[in-house]
Amino acid sequence: EADIYQTPRYLVIGTGKKITLECSQTMGHDKMYWYQQDPGMELHLIHYSYGVNSTEKGDLSSESTVSRIRTEHFPLTLESARPSHTSQYLCASSDLPPGQFQETQYFGPGTRLLVL
Amino acid sequence: AQSVAQPEDQVNVAEGNPLTVKCTYSVSGNPYLFWYVQYPNRGLQFLLKYITGDNLVKGSYGFEAEFNKSQTSFHLKKPSALVSDSALYFCAVRDRRDTDKLIFGTGTRLQVFP
Repeated sequence: EADIYQTPRYLVIGTGKKITLECSQTMGHDKMYWYQQDPGMELHLIHYSYGVNSTEKGDLSSESTVSRIRTEHFPLTLESARPSHTSQYLCASSDLPPGQFQETQYFGPGTRLLVL
Repeated sequence: AQSVAQPEDQVNVAEGNPLTVKCTYSVSGNPYLFWYVQYPNRGLQFLLKYITGDNLVKGSYGFEAEFNKSQTSFHLKKPSALVSDSALYFCAVRDRRDTDKLIFGTGTRLQVFP
């Protein structure tokens, strides 16, 4: 069972507010990811990290930023929320066990964000 | 039970040849189907999706997929493979019980040889 947590699960906030979405995993995985997903639709990679002090932008342009100061923690921050940021945000982590070539990504439960 | 199956762990293709990565699904009702690619050390990247309409869906990087309802398949195709297409490919279907979630297949490694 994967241990990856996201808080809050639901967030309703006004335009212009700064928000941070938390993601933590207890599996010691080096790789972590943030995806944006409109309900029931495809995932879009917005940020990822190879490990501590590593952050990379994903495929979908995003106004969010991330940090990776500790292995287990990969928070995502929006400096000024806008209605266009309304979406679901999924965090994931992965590792590549020795002898396997296909890594498995473990997903958190997601944060549903509504910006009014 | 809802599921997607990718029967091949690995597909090997010579550069310039057509490629097919297979996916079959099992879901009641009309499926929402997706293909993702994962390059080394990257997260999942969306390629294309089938929601409704034309059975042939065109996506990124010259990929396309054909939805076949009678065969419950959604195979990924490309007319001419590139070495840079070498990656892991995942098929996914939307979970009808929890429509925010996607059910992923186990992945197929595509190796394109020069």
